[in-house]
Amino acid sequence: EPEVTQTPSHQVTQMGQEVILRCVPISNHLYFYWYRQILGQKVEFLVSFYNNEISEKSEIFDDQFSVERPDGSNFTLKIRSTKLEDSAMYFCASRVTTGGYGYTFGSGTRLTVV
Amino acid sequence: DQQVKQNSPSLSVQEGRISILNCDYTNSMFDYFLWYKKYPAEGPTFLISISSIKDKNEDGRFTVFLNKSAKHLSLHIVPSQPGDSAVYFCAASELSDYKLSFGAGTTVTVRA
Repeated sequence: EPEVTQTPSHQVTQMGQEVILRCVPISNHLYFYWYRQILGQKVEFLVSFYNNEISEKSEIFDDQFSVERPDGSNFTLKIRSTKLEDSAMYFCASRVTTGGYGYTFGSGTRLTVV
Repeated sequence: DQQVKQNSPSLSVQEGRISILNCDYTNSMFDYFLWYKKYPAEGPTFLISISSIKDKNEDGRFTVFLNKSAKHLSLHIVPSQPGDSAVYFCAASELSDYKLSFGAGTTVTVRA
């Protein structure tokens, strides 16, 4: 069964450092998403991406965040200057173009900012 | 964001019995509802969904019921199996943006 692959599974970084979280969505999917889950809290929408541009972003997705699809397969989330409160599980997801509502999520990257 | 609520943080059920998970929502613009299952160290896995034009959808042991007037949905798992032990998330979206709003999750433990 097709999978969404995320790397790394766990990233530890110092406060103020830049991190890039990587995702390989399912190959025939065209809609891509990042969600995050702070420990003990809900899964929250961050950003959606379609046709090489952001289609929607949440209030959480401020100027410190950016997304990119640098080639035909990767989808990245960059946090420019990490803060302690950025520590969370970050989930990438992709969705079929039509007729499918169920996203496929990756296994997540646990980001720990120290 | 309190648009989707799962008021029961946990549920313990005996193997073979029915598990009933509940979810309430406040946004009347939601027209698609989904249930996801999540194991530790894994991402959410899509389980079953229902559109707002239906009141029931069934897939094997899993049935989702939607009561639009009450803004309530439930997931029934019959019979419950030990492998069903996981966190279950209710999620909802509008047709316009497909962005998912999640509930806080319910941890289900199936006892042998």
